[in-house]
Amino acid sequence: GAGVSQSPSNKVTEKGKDVELRCDPISGHTALYWYRQRLGQGLEFLIYFQGNSAPDKSGLPSDRFSAERTGESVSTLTIQRTQQEDSAVYLCASSFAGRNNEQFFGPGTRLTVL
Amino acid sequence: AQSVAQPEDQVNVAEGNPLTVKCTYSVSGNPYLFWYVQYPNRGLQFLLKYITGDNLVKGSYGFEAEFNKSQTSFHLKKPSALVSDSALYFCAVRTYGQNFVFGPGTRLSVLP
Repeated sequence: GAGVSQSPSNKVTEKGKDVELRCDPISGHTALYWYRQRLGQGLEFLIYFQGNSAPDKSGLPSDRFSAERTGESVSTLTIQRTQQEDSAVYLCASSFAGRNNEQFFGPGTRLTVL
Repeated sequence: AQSVAQPEDQVNVAEGNPLTVKCTYSVSGNPYLFWYVQYPNRGLQFLLKYITGDNLVKGSYGFEAEFNKSQTSFHLKKPSALVSDSALYFCAVRTYGQNFVFGPGTRLSVLP
C-alpha cells in the first residue's frame, strides 16, 4: 500500500512569504505528527494530531506556525512570514492510535528561505 | 520529562565486524523504545521496537536491540556490519500520555 506522502518535495521561498506544506498519511492512521529537522540535526517535534484535533501543539516554535487536519486524512503545516531560520526539512509521520505503535515517515519537504 | 541520549555522534566500524549504536533514556513510567534509520535524502524508516516481554528484540535488516532496565539503555546491535548499513540512526522513547522523543542521532559509517 501507499506510504506517507508529502508535497512539495522541495520549496524555495523568499523571506516574508507564506508557505504551505502538505502531508497525506497512510489510510487508517489516526495519529499524525509533524517534525522539523535542521541540517545535520535530530528531529524537533512540532505538533501531534489525533483525528482532526491537536492535543499537543507544544512544539510549534512561534505563532507564525500553524497546522490543521481534515478528518483523519490530509494535514497542512503553514508557516507565515517565513524567516531564514525556518529553513529545514519538515517531516510528517503517521501511525495507528496507541502508544506502542511505530510511526511511518514521509520523505519530507525541504524548505529553503532565501 | 522524557529524554533520550545517544552519546556518540559518529560510529565507525569495518565491514564484517559487529556494530553497536548506543542509546540511553530517561522516563517516568514504563518506556516504549524505538530505533529508526535515515538513509541520505530519505525519510526515517522503522527498524524495531521494545514494548514488553523479551529484552532482546529483533528487527529489520538483521538488526537487534537489547532493553536493559537497570541501565536504562536500548543499544542497537548487528553481528556483521555491511557498507549499506551506513546511515543516520535515531533512538526514540515514548511513555504513557507523552509523545515520541527522539535522540540526536548517531551517524554510522561502515568502512569496506
